[in-house]
Amino acid sequence: SQQGEEDPQALSIQEGENATMNCSYKTSINNLQWYRQNSGRGLVHLILIRSNEREKHSGRLRVTLDTSKKSSSLLITASRAADTASYFCATDDSGYSTLTFGKGTMLLVSP
Amino acid sequence: NAGVMQNPRHLVRRRGQEARLRCSPMKGHSHVYWYRQLPEEGLKFMVYLQKENIIDESGMPKERFSAEFPKEGPSILRIQQVVRGDSAAYFCASSPLGTANNEKLFFGSGTQLSVL
Repeated sequence: SQQGEEDPQALSIQEGENATMNCSYKTSINNLQWYRQNSGRGLVHLILIRSNEREKHSGRLRVTLDTSKKSSSLLITASRAADTASYFCATDDSGYSTLTFGKGTMLLVSP
Repeated sequence: NAGVMQNPRHLVRRRGQEARLRCSPMKGHSHVYWYRQLPEEGLKFMVYLQKENIIDESGMPKERFSAEFPKEGPSILRIQQVVRGDSAAYFCASSPLGTANNEKLFFGSGTQLSVL
């Protein structure tokens, strides 16, 4: 079953703008991870936030986690054309041994 | 340190044939995961293996699909008697200790299976 659901499905912005993507999930989790996928390629891990953390930063990435609302957001600041990709959230559900992925947000950054 | 290696990159099969997809995890990684991705869709979990053991195959169809991760050699995902609906990108991922230990996954570039 689908655990994480990203919103929006697609996002189109200009270079230099910020991009915000959201993820909602259904059950309790150990951690939530964000991945990026360029067209036709495998996924690349971006950032992991544990269930007891509320915010995490990595370079131009900022992730928040609200376990009471079962939601997370990924903010990419000062976006670049090279950020164009699909972004997926994945949850490590308590009691399960695998990551469950959402359908992703397709981000297009225009020069 | 080479990443997760998958081959072939593209595989074309006719209906009824067998498809064998290979995955060599990163060096030192003993946990392997297989996912399937359809166009415009996220990744669907299929199977989770550790060396010589299937840990979780809850996402794998009961018929025609099998997976193994032998003591020596790559992990193999086998699809027998392929049908058009099996056409998808199949991704393998690995990790040292498994995602239950708050670990990330390292993905291969995938095998695009096309069934004619």
